[in-house]
Amino acid sequence: AQTVTQSQPEMSVQEAETVTLSCTYDTSESDYYLFWYKQPPSRQMILVIRQEAYKQQNATENRFSVNFQKAAKSFSLKISDSQLGDAAMYFCAFRDNYGQNFVFGPGTRLSVLP
Amino acid sequence: DTGVSQNPRHKITKRGQNVTFRCDPISEHNRLYWYRQTLGQGPEFLTYFQNEAQLEKSRLLSDRFSAERPKGSFSTLEIQRTEQGDSAMYLCASSQSTGELFFGEGSRLTVL
Repeated sequence: AQTVTQSQPEMSVQEAETVTLSCTYDTSESDYYLFWYKQPPSRQMILVIRQEAYKQQNATENRFSVNFQKAAKSFSLKISDSQLGDAAMYFCAFRDNYGQNFVFGPGTRLSVLP
Repeated sequence: DTGVSQNPRHKITKRGQNVTFRCDPISEHNRLYWYRQTLGQGPEFLTYFQNEAQLEKSRLLSDRFSAERPKGSFSTLEIQRTEQGDSAMYLCASSQSTGELFFGEGSRLTVL
């Protein structure tokens, strides 16, 4: 069974600075998808960024980028120029091509300090 | 289309009562998922449907939980004989076959 680990329960960053959230996963599959989701307080979860395992190039979405290390099974999220609206729980998620189930990590609570 | 809709948003019930939650997915999405989330934790998979077929169900799901998706459109999640440990946020999400999940705002259950 796949597992997703986020070793940082809480992180904080100064506004306009850069922060990196860590995620590792365990799988025997070679073809899969990885995601970062954001859950603001009392609001619904939304997708931040996704990465297909067969792509070597790291995904980027505006201020959000990932560092995908397939051999190390690592998938970190970098947030540049942090904004107050980035404060939220961030969940790393894994989905393989066969089971179709999404497995989520325990989350990292990000605080952005003015 | 305004996204995934869940009702009710909050349900308070007494232990032993039955509760039902409804999820209306994004109309063109053929997959629908139910997750449970407790405070400070990540979503825990319960079950998912492709169209009207329930393809996977968590082994953690007791027989008090049942889900349906008649006609492959909306879905209901019923919890029978609720227990205090069932108190949680119940999240519904939908997706295209190869796409990411789109979540609803969740249904919060409080069992007294």
